[in-house]
Amino acid sequence: NFMLTQPHSVSESPGKTVTISCTRSSGSIDSNYVQWYRQRPGSSPTIVIYEDYQRPSGVPDRFSGSIDSSSNSASLTISGLKTEDEADYYCQSYDDADRVFGGGTKLTVL
Amino acid sequence: QVQLQESGPGLVKPSQTLSLTCTVSGGSISSGDYYWNWIRQPPGKGLEWIGYINYYSDNTYYNPSLRSRVTVSVDTSKKQFSLKLTSVTAADTAVYYCARESTVTTGFDSWGQGTLVTVSS
Repeated sequence: NFMLTQPHSVSESPGKTVTISCTRSSGSIDSNYVQWYRQRPGSSPTIVIYEDYQRPSGVPDRFSGSIDSSSNSASLTISGLKTEDEADYYCQSYDDADRVFGGGTKLTVL
Repeated sequence: QVQLQESGPGLVKPSQTLSLTCTVSGGSISSGDYYWNWIRQPPGKGLEWIGYINYYSDNTYYNPSLRSRVTVSVDTSKKQFSLKLTSVTAADTAVYYCARESTVTTGFDSWGQGTLVTVSS
């Protein structure tokens, strides 16, 4: 099995842009789709990106996903940061039938 | 809009079996379009996928690290699916979530609110 490694925490100011990375330890990042979830304190996770860059209905276009084969990583970019974006963010992918989560990144908007 | 709700004991003794149920409303649990998953989150830690069931294909699949202790089953008449985890220890203390995953697109698109299960004597 592979691992998905995320930075433990990131912080940025309101109105700015932040990018959270998710690096796959083995195998190609583009061999399986990557999803991103937001988890606010005390709440269940909700999906914000699926299939690398697709946004579910209701997710603002401030959220975008991408894949970089050269670094074998996926990224979640949030532009025009709002205080309500402060949360934990998790990436997730597949290894055959196994579902694998990254360790999560705490985003602080200050 | 589908809704999922976990239920079950909040306290389980070590070496016993953890049993949880997820009730699905607003959608069909017997459709082949979805996998029905269990995911857990130890306090202050990240998410760990436990396993899924697809009723239509009668297919289950479990996290290899938990496979020997996990069973996921479905009761379509009650629109519920269940988790059993045997021989629990304190390391199994976590918030347990049920979640729906499409077989067409990827990702967990609906989650329950989660239920905390503490393993302690």
